[in-house]
Amino acid sequence: GNSVTQMEGPVTLSEEAFLTINCTYTATGYPSLFWYVQYPGEGLQLLLKATKADDKGSNKGFEATYRKETTSFHLEKGSVQVSDSAVYFCALSRTDKLIFGTGTRLQVFP
Amino acid sequence: GAVVSQHPSWVICKSGTSVKIECRSLDFQATTMFWYRQFPKQSLMLMATSNEGSKATYEQGVEKDKFLINHASLTLSTLTVTSAHPEDSSFYICSARVRLAGGKDTQYFGPGTRLTVL
Repeated sequence: GNSVTQMEGPVTLSEEAFLTINCTYTATGYPSLFWYVQYPGEGLQLLLKATKADDKGSNKGFEATYRKETTSFHLEKGSVQVSDSAVYFCALSRTDKLIFGTGTRLQVFP
Repeated sequence: GAVVSQHPSWVICKSGTSVKIECRSLDFQATTMFWYRQFPKQSLMLMATSNEGSKATYEQGVEKDKFLINHASLTLSTLTVTSAHPEDSSFYICSARVRLAGGKDTQYFGPGTRLTVL
């Protein structure tokens, strides 16, 4: 079946550090891949997405590349800020249904 | 971006009672809304797909008689947890799908409702 695996958190970083949150998936066919972010007290927001192999999604300094050969969609940011502290969810979609990973909490300290 | 609200944001109820959770799209119409459930440190699990004016489609393993879903208008879907038990305690999240130009669509999520059943 379709599933998403992402690294457990929390990930704790100092401001301006480099961020990587790993995400791998299992799916039949060619899913679309997403990263969602959930700030405290708010709903999930789409951060970025990629719909086919080798696509790179990017937004707010975050990037993720759809790697079909490794079935991965790792999230990266070159320099994190305190305001990036949130829970990040990797997800895939084959139809109109989203399948989520368990979420990774990121804590950034000044 | 589009806003989806949920009410209440948290609720505590006694075992055996029913609880209704509302999901509203505030500035757009949504023909399709989704209901998810999230356990601590686990992923969001899709419970059902709610289509305006028709019966909801439930995922395998979700009891439709326990989790009643009504999508009476293009801006409101409700989830009623009937005869709630402590194991129903969870975080319930809704989302509303918007169809964008070019046939693509996206989902906007509500902030979630924390249900605690005593």
